[in-house]
Amino acid sequence: AQTVTQSQPEMSVQEAETVTLSCTYDTSESDYYLFWYKQPPSRQMILVIRQEAYKQQNATENRFSVNFQKAAKSFSLKISDSQLGDAAMYFCAYRSGNGGATNKLIFGTGTLLAVQP
Amino acid sequence: KAGVTQTPRYLIKTRGQQVTLSCSPISGHRSVSWYQQTPGQGLQFLFEYFSETQRNKGNFPGRFSGRQFSNSRSEMNVSTLELGDSALYLCASSRTGSDSGNTIYFGEGSWLTVV
Repeated sequence: AQTVTQSQPEMSVQEAETVTLSCTYDTSESDYYLFWYKQPPSRQMILVIRQEAYKQQNATENRFSVNFQKAAKSFSLKISDSQLGDAAMYFCAYRSGNGGATNKLIFGTGTLLAVQP
Repeated sequence: KAGVTQTPRYLIKTRGQQVTLSCSPISGHRSVSWYQQTPGQGLQFLFEYFSETQRNKGNFPGRFSGRQFSNSRSEMNVSTLELGDSALYLCASSRTGSDSGNTIYFGEGSWLTVV
């Protein structure tokens, strides 16, 4: 079975600084997708960034980028120029690409990010 | 375009009762998934429906059930409620699951409190 681990329950960053959130996963599958979701106090999950396992290039979305290390099964999220609105719970998630279509996401336990003004 | 809509947003039920939660996916989306979020267990997958068929199920007791209608709207039902069922129930929708471009969108959730 696949698992996702986030070892940092809480992180803090100064406004305008850079922070990196860690995520590791375990799978025996060759085809899969990795995601970072943001959950603000409203509790609605918002997709931040997505990475396909077959792509070697790290995904980037504006101030958000990932460091995808497939062999190490590591998928960290870097937030540059942190803003107050980035404060939220961040979840790393895994979706299988093998065995047919599925939208089942396996989530990590989350990292609560605080942004200090 | 309207997002994923969940109703009701908040509800309080008594132990032993049953509850039905509703989810309307984004127009054109045929896949609907449900998740339970609690402080102790985190985010756990309940089940997934695609074109009215359940194609994946999480490790929850039979008290938890769901269904999907021909218009892709989905309901989940919890019978014989227990205090531990108090949680945020999140619904997610997407077009399919077979392509890399598939994005999964979440609703705002239904807060269930069992007293």
